[in-house]
Amino acid sequence: AQSVTQPDIHITVSEGASLELRCNYSYGATPYLFWYVQSPGQGLQLLLKYFSGDTLVQGIKGFEAEFKRSQSSFNLRKPSVHWSDAAEYFCAVALYNQGGKLIFGQGTELSVKP
Amino acid sequence: DTGVSQNPRHKITKRGQNVTFRCDPISEHNRLYWYRQTLGQGPEFLTYFQNEAQLEKSRLLSDRFSAERPKGSFSTLEIQRTEQGDSAMYLCASSQNPTTGRVNEQFFGPGTRLTVL
Repeated sequence: AQSVTQPDIHITVSEGASLELRCNYSYGATPYLFWYVQSPGQGLQLLLKYFSGDTLVQGIKGFEAEFKRSQSSFNLRKPSVHWSDAAEYFCAVALYNQGGKLIFGQGTELSVKP
Repeated sequence: DTGVSQNPRHKITKRGQNVTFRCDPISEHNRLYWYRQTLGQGPEFLTYFQNEAQLEKSRLLSDRFSAERPKGSFSTLEIQRTEQGDSAMYLCASSQNPTTGRVNEQFFGPGTRLTVL
């Protein structure tokens, strides 16, 4: 069955430090992968997506993610975290043969220390 | 504002009452999705429409839930005889119709938070 795992429920980093959020997926076909961010009480905003091609993808707000097929991973990174990055981050895989519906991970809550 | 909108943003109801939520997608988007998100969890797929046709429903969508998208524009999600377990954030998303074998990104609305007392 298709699934997405985000092993870290909560991460705290200091402002200015680097960040890596982990995501592993299970899907038999070519994965279409996404990272979304959600601020408290809000909807989801797309940070970046991987469809094909270059395995290192750039997104908004200085985020990037690397697709590694051999590890079934799509980890999100940022070289220097800002206090405004504190939010919940969700990794998702789209099932193209099921209408593109998204399967989400449980999410990682990011806290930023001053 | 040309994004996805949802109304109401918050709804508090008593157990057993019926509630209806509305989603207005981005105007040129053919596909519309509903998801449910409970506290501390990622969103879970409920159903989706391509134009006015409802093409898939999750097992999460019990008989008390019904969704419509008349004329392929806005969509409504109704919950009959609400239960406390229905308390959640209900998210709507829309996307353009992809070419065969591909997907397009989904744009999410702000959600409707339902509290069942």
